[in-house]
Amino acid sequence: RKEVEQDPGPFNVPEGATVAFNCTYSNSASQSFFWYRQDCRKEPKLLMSVYSSGNEDGRFTAQLNRASQYISLLIRDSKLSDSATYLCVVNRGGYNKLIFGAGTRLAVHP
Amino acid sequence: DGGITQSPKYLFRKEGQNVTLSCEQNLNHDAMYWYRQDPGQGLRLIYYSQIVNDFQKGDIAEGYSVSREKKESFPLTVTSAQKNPTAFYLCASNNNRELNQPQHFGDGTRLSIL
Repeated sequence: RKEVEQDPGPFNVPEGATVAFNCTYSNSASQSFFWYRQDCRKEPKLLMSVYSSGNEDGRFTAQLNRASQYISLLIRDSKLSDSATYLCVVNRGGYNKLIFGAGTRLAVHP
Repeated sequence: DGGITQSPKYLFRKEGQNVTLSCEQNLNHDAMYWYRQDPGQGLRLIYYSQIVNDFQKGDIAEGYSVSREKKESFPLTVTSAQKNPTAFYLCASNNNRELNQPQHFGDGTRLSIL
């Protein structure tokens, strides 16, 4: 089993749609959780950290469920510019090392 | 502007040749990392360094070497022992003095075999 698993997609959605991604992780000792965005042939960029209480940044909402060991990302009112691959990232419990999921690809169309 | 600079952007390696990828940061971060990304896969950790003059192997260190003689610099050498070096190489850094700090990336080096 992979340490971090994501649905690879692609998710093809129209502009204005709401889309949700899930990610599961295997190490119950993990303490740090992030969502990164990666555009084609570019470096990953931090989208948001994920906190236990859940957090929101504009159209983006992240949730953490420690009991079930999954993280979610909700994007509301999708824009064409949201088209990218979204990487779920988890630390390897107790260490300052991050484990990256393979990513979920989102394509927003007019 | 503060950031992480990787060079070159593109690199070609001949069989049996060692090549070195540069990574420099001016963010005053103690920790630096090297990852490799293959198409359709997540990033995999090659080496990391939590402090100057110290570094540890990641998950796929075979065929690679690093040094950390200065806080700002963490070069990666891809040796001839790495039989499948074609990939996108990413350098990252973070402030490891606090918990839960995200890593920030340079814009990567694409390495190909000639």
